[in-house]
Amino acid sequence: AQSVTQLDSQVPVFEEAPVELRCNYSSSVSVYLFWYVQYPNQGLQLLLKYLSGSTLVKGINGFEAEFNKSQTSFHLRKPSVHISDTAEYFCAVSDPQGAQKLVFGQGTRLTINP
Amino acid sequence: EAGVAQSPRYKIIEKRQSVAFWCNPISGHATLYWYQQILGQGPKLLIQFQNNGVVDDSQLPKDRFSAERLKGVDSTLKIQPAKLEDSAVYLCASSSGGTGLQGYTFGSGTRLTVV
Repeated sequence: AQSVTQLDSQVPVFEEAPVELRCNYSSSVSVYLFWYVQYPNQGLQLLLKYLSGSTLVKGINGFEAEFNKSQTSFHLRKPSVHISDTAEYFCAVSDPQGAQKLVFGQGTRLTINP
Repeated sequence: EAGVAQSPRYKIIEKRQSVAFWCNPISGHATLYWYQQILGQGPKLLIQFQNNGVVDDSQLPKDRFSAERLKGVDSTLKIQPAKLEDSAVYLCASSSGGTGLQGYTFGSGTRLTVV
């Protein structure tokens, strides 16, 4: 069975500072990896995804993530955050060969302080 | 293209009552998912449909939850009778098949409060 662990439940940072949201996964098979963002009272929006190929994936809103197979990690980064990045961020994993359902982590609440 | 539509946006019911949620996926998307998101947790898959057939309902509490997808388009999720622990946001998502290539599109969800 696949599982995802997001190591920080809350991350406070100052505006224009860099940020890293950590995600580790567990799987006995190859995986697809995703980061989603959820703004208050809204659904989930895809930030970026890793399918194969280059381990550095660039997404929307200036976010990027790096797939590290040896460490089973898929950390999300942004070099300079804005107030508008305040939201809940979810890491998710999917089995390319299976039913292709998404298994989510617990989420990380990113709070940007002015 | 239009997104995934869900209704109602909010619902408050008393425990032991019944409730139903509706989802209209993106046109042409064969796969439809219902997720439950309890406050402070990540979404958890309840049921996955491929057209109008069930692919995975292993985490659906079948003694009280039911779901159907008639004609492979719209879907309804029902809870009867509701318990306090069913308070959550219920998210519907659809995909054209293959999470890797097409990904998912989520609706805005239905926030259920059971009192």
